[in-house]
Amino acid sequence: AQKVTQAQTEISVVEKEDVTLDCVYETRDTTYYLFWYKQPPSGELVFLIRRNSFDEQNEISGRYSWNFQKSTSSFNFTITASQVVDSAVYFCALSAFRDDKIIFGKGTRLHILP
Amino acid sequence: KAGVTQTPRYLIKTRGQQVTLSCSPISGHRSVSWYQQTPGQGLQFLFEYFSETQRNKGNFPGRFSGRQFSNSRSEMNVSTLELGDSALYLCASSARLAGLLQETQYFGPGTRLLVL
Repeated sequence: AQKVTQAQTEISVVEKEDVTLDCVYETRDTTYYLFWYKQPPSGELVFLIRRNSFDEQNEISGRYSWNFQKSTSSFNFTITASQVVDSAVYFCALSAFRDDKIIFGKGTRLHILP
Repeated sequence: KAGVTQTPRYLIKTRGQQVTLSCSPISGHRSVSWYQQTPGQGLQFLFEYFSETQRNKGNFPGRFSGRQFSNSRSEMNVSTLELGDSALYLCASSARLAGLLQETQYFGPGTRLLVL
């Protein structure tokens, strides 16, 4: 069975601090995708990143970076120099290669305090 | 390019009624998926449609149904509403074609349903 665990339910940091959101997944598939989505108070899920299981290279996009480690089944997300606008719920998710069904974690609510 | 649109944005119904929610995908996207989001269960997959056919279904009772039209617009219907159906219903579209690898899903703003 597929499962995504985000152990941190809520995190608060002061603006400009770095923060890492943890994600651990379980799957029997050898090929799969991992995702991060952001959900601001408006409710819409905003796509951040998709990585496939063959590509363990870390990725950086501006202040965002992702660390994918297949050996520990983890796909962690770091925000550097956090800003108040980063406050949202962040979801880690998993799907098989040939399947549009996405399995989401419970989400981590991130508060960036001014 | 316009994003995924969902109507209505908010809805209030009473137990026993039925409701229909609508989703218009991004232009050119033929795959539409629906998700239910509740505080207790989180985000759960309902079903996926491609070319007017249901391609995948989550673990929900038969009261939840959907369909897709030839223009890729999709509707989902919930009959005999229960209090527990109160949720944010999110629709997502992707460019995935039949039999091919998954493409990124882009989500709409959701329909917030309150059942009294």
